[in-house]
Amino acid sequence: SSELTQDPAVSVALGQTVRITCQGDSLRNNYAAWYQQRPGQAPLLVIYGQNNRPSGIPDRFSGSSSGNTASLTITGAQAEDEADYHCNSRDSSGKHQVFGGGTKLTVL
Amino acid sequence: QVQLVQSGAEVKKTGASVKVSCKASGYIFTNHGITWVRQAPGQGLEWMGWVSTYTGNADFAQSLQGRVSMTTDTSTSTAYMELRSLRTDDTAVYYCARWGFSWNDGDWFDPWGQGTLVIVSS
Repeated sequence: SSELTQDPAVSVALGQTVRITCQGDSLRNNYAAWYQQRPGQAPLLVIYGQNNRPSGIPDRFSGSSSGNTASLTITGAQAEDEADYHCNSRDSSGKHQVFGGGTKLTVL
Repeated sequence: QVQLVQSGAEVKKTGASVKVSCKASGYIFTNHGITWVRQAPGQGLEWMGWVSTYTGNADFAQSLQGRVSMTTDTSTSTAYMELRSLRTDDTAVYYCARWGFSWNDGDWFDPWGQGTLVIVSS
């Protein structure tokens, strides 16, 4: 079982705001990174660290963290945001990496 | 541009080994580690381990200890992942990714290779 827990599925109406969460004890001491994965494609980094977006990632994507929960927020979701989103951080030992189970986002 | 290009799909029998390559371009290879992640059909991502391109040292997920090795060839900017004693549940897409790290922002993986499908059948 994963040390990071994500809701399996979340839906959002087009243009609305959605928050995808990731819970785990290791998040109290480590940042999460977030990856978008469209069907048949490799994961793509969308958020890392305190709230950093790689070049080319729209500013509607943002990240935050509180206690044992990291969140990815999409403000004004677009049809192309429909994808699986995976969180990642260090495990409880701090030596290895772990992924959450992934959240399938549906844009209605 | 920074790019990782992986080797092609493989079909193996149970008990065999597979070696996947990951060729990097667009950056100084030894400035970033390489991590390997796999994804079984319809499943989430599983971190397998990482290799330092500077020292050659590697560390692996507990579940794969003893069956996996990760190496690099700095002369060709290529990383390799070998998985031995293959089982049917090793069937997955295997990804390499460049490891980024800073004390301010922690770890991240960017970019990712296109993935290599490994099918293991009995």
